[in-house]
Amino acid sequence: GENVEQHPSTLSVQEGDSAVIKCTYSDSASNYFPWYKQELGKGPQLIIDIRSNVGEKKDQRIAVTLNKTAKHFSLHITETQPEDSAVYFCAAKVGTDKLIFGTGTRLQVFP
Amino acid sequence: NAGVTQTPKFRVLKTGQSMTLLCAQDMNHEYMYWYRQDPGMGLRLIHYSVGEGTTAKGEVPDGYNVSRLKKQNFLLGLESAAPSQTSVYFCASSPFIRTSGETQYFGPGTRLLVL
Repeated sequence: GENVEQHPSTLSVQEGDSAVIKCTYSDSASNYFPWYKQELGKGPQLIIDIRSNVGEKKDQRIAVTLNKTAKHFSLHITETQPEDSAVYFCAAKVGTDKLIFGTGTRLQVFP
Repeated sequence: NAGVTQTPKFRVLKTGQSMTLLCAQDMNHEYMYWYRQDPGMGLRLIHYSVGEGTTAKGEVPDGYNVSRLKKQNFLLGLESAAPSQTSVYFCASSPFIRTSGETQYFGPGTRLLVL
């Protein structure tokens, strides 16, 4: 079946450094790729998304890139801050109704 | 706007007991989803609904049933709880995808422990 692989599972960075999380998807028909942030004790919240007709999208300190040929997409966070510490999930749309999520990356930003 | 709410927040069950988790949304969304979150496994889709009166199976539907009698509510039932169903359960809703976007809005979760 369809799946999404996400790496790394944990990531520790110093405040101010950049963080990169990578995902690979299996369904070549997927055309929508969101990223969610989950803070401790809360539900996931959308932070950025990208569609297959776009190669890159930025929103202030976060950006997402998509390589459709390789079926890879990545989340880039620049100038990390302690409040960026959370679990991040990538996802890929499957069919018309569903998202398949990656297994998550726990990001820790040390002051 | 309360968004997506889930009831209860936490529950302990004994093996074989049954329970119903309630999800409610006040955003008039067409689509609703139930996920379970387990360590190292991300979010896995249990069941979902594309409109009032409809339901469909997700990745891990066994042992669960759902109902969507009202547009704003999506119920997840465990008929005979098993320890393997110990998890955190999240409900999400989304507007009609083709016209209003695809963002899923998540509730705060229900932590379930089955002994």
